[in-house]
Amino acid sequence: SQTIHQWPATLVQPVGSPLSLECTVEGTSNPNLYWYRQAAGRGLQLLFYSVGIGQISSEVPQNLSASRPQDRQFILSSKKLLLSDSGFYLCAWSVGSGANVLTFGAGSRLTVL
Amino acid sequence: GENVEQHPSTLSVQEGDSAVIKCTYSDSASNYFPWYKQELGKRPQLIIDIRSNVGEKKDQRIAVTLNKTAKHFSLHITETQPEDSAVYFCAASKGSNYQLIWGAGTKLIIKP
Repeated sequence: SQTIHQWPATLVQPVGSPLSLECTVEGTSNPNLYWYRQAAGRGLQLLFYSVGIGQISSEVPQNLSASRPQDRQFILSSKKLLLSDSGFYLCAWSVGSGANVLTFGAGSRLTVL
Repeated sequence: GENVEQHPSTLSVQEGDSAVIKCTYSDSASNYFPWYKQELGKRPQLIIDIRSNVGEKKDQRIAVTLNKTAKHFSLHITETQPEDSAVYFCAASKGSNYQLIWGAGTKLIIKP
């Protein structure tokens, strides 16, 4: 069966520090991968998606970046965090080219102080 | 661009009663409409979805109805239970998951 792992689960970072969140998927090949952000009490905002290794599409301008070095690995990074980067970050995966079920990771709660 | 509006933002119902959450979308090309449930501090999980070639879909106590002419779809939960308390998100897409447009969410509170 397929599983998705996301880490770290919680982190507190100072403004201006770097960030790296990692997501891996097991049990499937060539998944579509996504990074979402959810501000406190708010909806889901798509940040990045990837349909293959090295293929990254950005949905919103920001100081975040994403990379997909391996088929089932998706990384969210920042060189210098801002206060506004605080939130709940969710990795997700799906298969196929059409719209279908998104399976989310457990999330990473980031607090920037 | 595409917009999805979700109402109400908060819904409080007595345990055992029914709950209805409504969403409207703007792009008539939308053809896939999922509903996700997110418990406090947890990940969103798909509970039901419907495609534009179907008007209604049911799964035990949960049902979704779609009115393509009016461009709205609704989530119906019958015989509500305490474990139904969560935030529910609707979404609409016209072809792929990266085109999903999300509603702002509805916090459902089940009163004992």
